[in-house]
Amino acid sequence: SQQGEEDPQALSIQEGENATMNCSYKTSINNLQWYRQNSGRGLVHLILIRSNEREKHSGRLRVTLDTSKKSSSLLITASRAADTASYFCATDRWDGGSQGNLIFGKGTKLSVKP
Amino acid sequence: EAQVTQNPRYLITVTGKKLTVTCSQNMNHEYMSWYRQDPGLGLRQIYYSMNVEVTDKGDVPEGYKVSRKEKRNFPLILESPSPNQTSLYFCASSLDGQVSYGYTFGSGTRLTVV
Repeated sequence: SQQGEEDPQALSIQEGENATMNCSYKTSINNLQWYRQNSGRGLVHLILIRSNEREKHSGRLRVTLDTSKKSSSLLITASRAADTASYFCATDRWDGGSQGNLIFGKGTKLSVKP
Repeated sequence: EAQVTQNPRYLITVTGKKLTVTCSQNMNHEYMSWYRQDPGLGLRQIYYSMNVEVTDKGDVPEGYKVSRKEKRNFPLILESPSPNQTSLYFCASSLDGQVSYGYTFGSGTRLTVV
């Protein structure tokens, strides 16, 4: 079952521009995470934001979280060709009191043209 | 180097021939999980393990088995593979099962069942 849903599905920009990807989810969460996947490779953890945080930065990445709207955004500033990848949001899911698991959206495919 | 190692990287097999995909992590992580990734369906969880000898089903467990006899290893077993199990498989690990930390992913195993 899917929790997060990214928007847009695909995004194409020029190098140097900013890229914004959005994620919406359905249930309450403890935290939300963003991952990057280069074509056919393993996912790489980018950033984790907890439900009591509104904004977090890591280098050129800025993540916001709005729990009232059940949404998050990932902003990549001054994009580079090397940022070309798929980006996934992931949220924790608590199943009837058992331990949590991380479930992923379908991703946004970002293409940065040199 | 802290990592999750999956083997093999690529595998082509025939229907019904039992196979095992190995997964090993060197970070002393308690939590490990298997996902499959299919076009249009995103990442779906197959099985996960909170610790040694503790495993549980994810969203798509049919046709798969796992075991966790040691903390570092979490093999995925396909007793009788079928073509609908052709997919890209990822193993992931995390410090604990509270989803308080990011996941570390392996590089993936691309399985083709003919």
